[in-house]
Amino acid sequence: GQQLNQSPQSMFIQEGEDVSMNCTSSSIFNTWLWYKQDPGEGPVLLIALYKAGELTSNGRLTAQFGITRKDSFLNISASIPSDVGIYFCAGPSILPSNSGYALNFGKGTSLLVTP
Amino acid sequence: NAGVTQTPKFQVLKTGQSMTLQCAQDMNHNSMYWYRQDPGMGLRLIYYSASEGTTDKGEVPNGYNVSRLNKREFSLRLESAAPSQTSVYFCASHTYSNQPQHFGDGTRLSIL
Repeated sequence: GQQLNQSPQSMFIQEGEDVSMNCTSSSIFNTWLWYKQDPGEGPVLLIALYKAGELTSNGRLTAQFGITRKDSFLNISASIPSDVGIYFCAGPSILPSNSGYALNFGKGTSLLVTP
Repeated sequence: NAGVTQTPKFQVLKTGQSMTLQCAQDMNHNSMYWYRQDPGMGLRLIYYSASEGTTDKGEVPNGYNVSRLNKREFSLRLESAAPSQTSVYFCASHTYSNQPQHFGDGTRLSIL
């Protein structure tokens, strides 16, 4: 699969602070996805981006699809304790015969929020 | 509103034992996938099924087999488990090719 580089690897912040994380790739993607994984659960989709330059919000979360199509950013404003978890970026690679796509994942950003 | 359901949630096996991991989705999705997640890593694709009756290898298929039993169910089989297959296994599904994948809660598998 294609390598996605996600940073930072981990963040330890206080409740109320804003958070920024990013993801870069050596390849172009036509879609960028951001997932959150809570302990013991599967990844849950936060935001999907389909167009270069697109800026999309979901509550306190805002994500942007980079103009070069090789990067994406996720911001969380006014963090709360339930924001704790691992955040993954993902980009799809089309499978043979256009039969679906495989998600290429970054290694995740682990977020800890103290009250 | 079950979504993607995986069973079992946890399993411990001895080297050489066989096991089937089950996955079922109730969203009428066409495509289903099996991924594995190792510590500090993102997910890697093992096998996928674009539609009922078809299956194909992903990035890390060695040591696994799959069956797309019907539109709802996609199982993953380890014929002879090895310690290197200790991992968390996730099943995912989606409808059209540009729609995001939805994941189950995973099966945590340890092989001793």
